[in-house]
Amino acid sequence: AQSVTQPDIHITVSEGASLELRCNYSYGATPYLFWYVQSPGQGLQLLLKYFSGDTLVQGIKGFEAEFKRSQSSFNLRKPSVHWSDAAEYFCAVGAEKNRDDKIIFGKGTRLHILP
Amino acid sequence: GAVVSQHPSWVICKSGTSVKIECRSLDFQATTMFWYRQFPKQSLMLMATSNEGSKATYEQGVEKDKFLINHASLTLSTLTVTSAHPEDSSFYICSARTGQGRGYTFGSGTRLTVV
Repeated sequence: AQSVTQPDIHITVSEGASLELRCNYSYGATPYLFWYVQSPGQGLQLLLKYFSGDTLVQGIKGFEAEFKRSQSSFNLRKPSVHWSDAAEYFCAVGAEKNRDDKIIFGKGTRLHILP
Repeated sequence: GAVVSQHPSWVICKSGTSVKIECRSLDFQATTMFWYRQFPKQSLMLMATSNEGSKATYEQGVEKDKFLINHASLTLSTLTVTSAHPEDSSFYICSARTGQGRGYTFGSGTRLTVV
């Protein structure tokens, strides 16, 4: 079964600083990987996803993530954060064996931005 | 893009009553939908996988008699919380495979408060 670990519950960075949110996954085959962002009381917004091909994935809002198979990681990065980036970030892993493929979420990392 | 419409956005009900949450795929057919539950400041936990025309598959620990899932058409899945109790208060989110690029689209969520 697939699983996702986000080791950092909270991350605080200053506005304009770079950001890296960690994500490690466990799955027996090539996973499908996602990063979602959730603002308080809101639904989920997809930032980016990786299925195959180029291991460096570009997403919306200036985010990118790199799939590293050897490290079972899919870390999210942004070169310069904005105050509006403060939110909860979820890494998720999916698998497609049949139509009942599902995605499993990590516990999330709450990002705080210092002015 | 693919859109999943989830209603209601929020609902308050009395303990012992039942509440129905609907998820509709607006511009695509969703043979499979997923229902998640999210407690405050926690991650999304998969409750069940809903397949059109067949019984839902529930995750371990989820009471199938309490959380009734119906997926009667290719565009509609419903989650009914029966005999709701305050501990059922949570944020419920549905998701569907878009069938294109193996993407997943999420509804905007339903905040259920049982008083």
